[in-house]
Amino acid sequence: GAVVSQHPSRVICKSGTSVKIECRSLDFQATTMFWYRQFPKKSLMLMATSNEGSKATYEQGVEKDKFLINHASLTLSTLTVTSAHPEDSSFYICSASGTGTNTEAFFGQGTRLTVV
Amino acid sequence: SQKIEQNSEALNIQEGKTATLTCNYTNYSPAYLQWYRQDPGRGPVFLLLIRENEKEKRKERLKVTFDTTLKQSLFHITASQPADSATYLCALDMDGYNKLIFGAGTRLAVHP
Repeated sequence: GAVVSQHPSRVICKSGTSVKIECRSLDFQATTMFWYRQFPKKSLMLMATSNEGSKATYEQGVEKDKFLINHASLTLSTLTVTSAHPEDSSFYICSASGTGTNTEAFFGQGTRLTVV
Repeated sequence: SQKIEQNSEALNIQEGKTATLTCNYTNYSPAYLQWYRQDPGRGPVFLLLIRENEKEKRKERLKVTFDTTLKQSLFHITASQPADSATYLCALDMDGYNKLIFGAGTRLAVHP
């Protein structure tokens, strides 16, 4: 299947700093990418939908100024956690889809963010 | 809003038996229902997709059923192996564009 690469896989940062997470589709063009967050033993929760060349669409309760999403090309979307706090510590996962419906989503390996 | 329930927090079975996992949802049926496997500290891996108008789908030792009247999907792993031990996630794709709503997952442990 297609490959989605997420980087970094783990990051530790200090409170108040910003962290950027990259999501790349390596062998297909992803018109849409999704960002999820997962707390321990909990479900993946959709944070936002990222469309190439346009503004991201955020789910209710997700602060767009805190979680900045950029989808500048058909193979790269970035999520920047700004002014990170310990409660932002979580597992962040991206997924990417090609064009059209009825295509499976391909997930990155996830990024474990720890804010200290 | 759509709620998804997956049965029991953990399912323990003996190697060689069939594991059956349940996914129930509350509101209108999705265009597609998907099953994923997730290992600790990793992203989900796609297993099977079933459409709203399909009753059953198979892939090797895996079988998925979809009953839109009961609002339920069952996921079966036959001849289970210890390597099948993982968390299995049910996900609803309401309109076919992979914007997924996930259940909390069922942790499966297959014992030798």
